[in-house]
Amino acid sequence: NAGVTQTPKFQVLKTGQSMTLQCAQDMNHEYMSWYRQDPGMGLRLIHYSVGAGITDQGEVPNGYNVSRSTTEDFPLRLLSAAPSQTSVYFCASSPTGTGGFQPQHFGDGTRLSIL
Amino acid sequence: SQQGEEDPQALSIQEGENATMNCSYKTSINNLQWYRQNSGRGLVHLILIRSNEREKHSGRLRVTLDTSKKSSSLLITASRAADTASYFCAEKRAQKLVFGQGTRLTINP
Repeated sequence: NAGVTQTPKFQVLKTGQSMTLQCAQDMNHEYMSWYRQDPGMGLRLIHYSVGAGITDQGEVPNGYNVSRSTTEDFPLRLLSAAPSQTSVYFCASSPTGTGGFQPQHFGDGTRLSIL
Repeated sequence: SQQGEEDPQALSIQEGENATMNCSYKTSINNLQWYRQNSGRGLVHLILIRSNEREKHSGRLRVTLDTSKKSSSLLITASRAADTASYFCAEKRAQKLVFGQGTRLTINP
């Protein structure tokens, strides 16, 4: 059971480039989310999805797009990378889309540097 | 929205000692969760405590919840070197899970 898989693990981009961070889970979880983690800031929610076809914004959505065409996949797109987006990005999933929150399962992160 | 706060931000103790971390949160919660993050890895869920529970145990971990004070604490007993990690509390707000900034725990041999 792979759990939550994030690719790539590391990436360096130039300012203005675009890219997609991949996230896949094999647990049939309804809820998926993306966080960024910066030193001294904890984890901040970027976007989340309560099920296939449904997405919504978190605390820091600007500069990022998401889609949820399948239950398994929840890619995060950087439209035009900026140095302020240098961070570690985590994808998480949990069984429940609404109501009480179940424990989140995290991937190991993507370390992204924007030059 | 502001995140909850953990206290202390960093804690260094000797192996075998107990470690206590505190978390204050903002809203009326359904549940509060604690996570551990080892260096370079994703977060791992430790304990979920519901709003109608006051204390919960899991092995060497004990979590307490005081809803009147909007606070929770995580106690790790008989600490080990492998407990060195960052620990986060997280509260549910609508459809979002909001994390605190974490406590960095170092266990010295």
